Amino acid sequence: AQKVTQAQTEISVVEKEDVTLDCVYETRDTTYYLFWYKQPPSGELVFLIRRNSFDEQNEISGRYSWNFQKSTSSFNFTITASQVVDSAVYFCALSEVISNFGNEKLTFGTGTRLTIIP
Amino acid sequence: GAGVSQTPSNKVTEKGKYVELRCDPISGHTALYWYRQSLGQGPEFLIYFQGTGAADDSGLPNDRFFAVRPEGSVSTLKIQRTERGDSAVYLCASSLGVTGNSGELFFGEGSRLTVL
Repeated sequence: AQKVTQAQTEISVVEKEDVTLDCVYETRDTTYYLFWYKQPPSGELVFLIRRNSFDEQNEISGRYSWNFQKSTSSFNFTITASQVVDSAVYFCALSEVISNFGNEKLTFGTGTRLTIIP
Repeated sequence: GAGVSQTPSNKVTEKGKYVELRCDPISGHTALYWYRQSLGQGPEFLIYFQGTGAADDSGLPNDRFFAVRPEGSVSTLKIQRTERGDSAVYLCASSLGVTGNSGELFFGEGSRLTVL
């Protein structure tokens, strides 16, 4: 069975500080994808990133960066120079392919509520 | 709008009643998903449609839950004999549904169901 663990329930940092959100996953699949989603107060989940299990290169997108380490089954997310607009609940998710079309069923972690204090 | 639309945004019902939740996906998206999110938890998969057919309904908790997508676009999640434990936010998502796409799911804002 697949499992995603986000041990940090809530994090608060002062604006402009860097913050890292942890994600640890379990799967028996050799091919899988990892995701991060942001859920602002409006409730709509917003896609941030999708990584293939064969690609362990770190990725940077603006103030966001992701560190994927297969050896420790972790996919951590760092926000640099945090801003108040970054305040949200962040979910890490792991996929399981469920169709010949490549569609995926996501298993989500319980989320980390990030509060940026102005 | 151009996003996934869900109605109603809020539904309060009494235990034992029947409810329907509607999802209007992004135009052209062939894959549609329903997830359920309880308070303080991550979304949990319920069912996936590719076109009109339910390709994977393994997440439906029991036979009181049923979903349809008769014309391959709008989907309705139906819950019979509601129980207090059904209270949650029901999220709908859609995607292009083709191999090689980014895998990005586009979520609606959800329907908050409260069973009294």
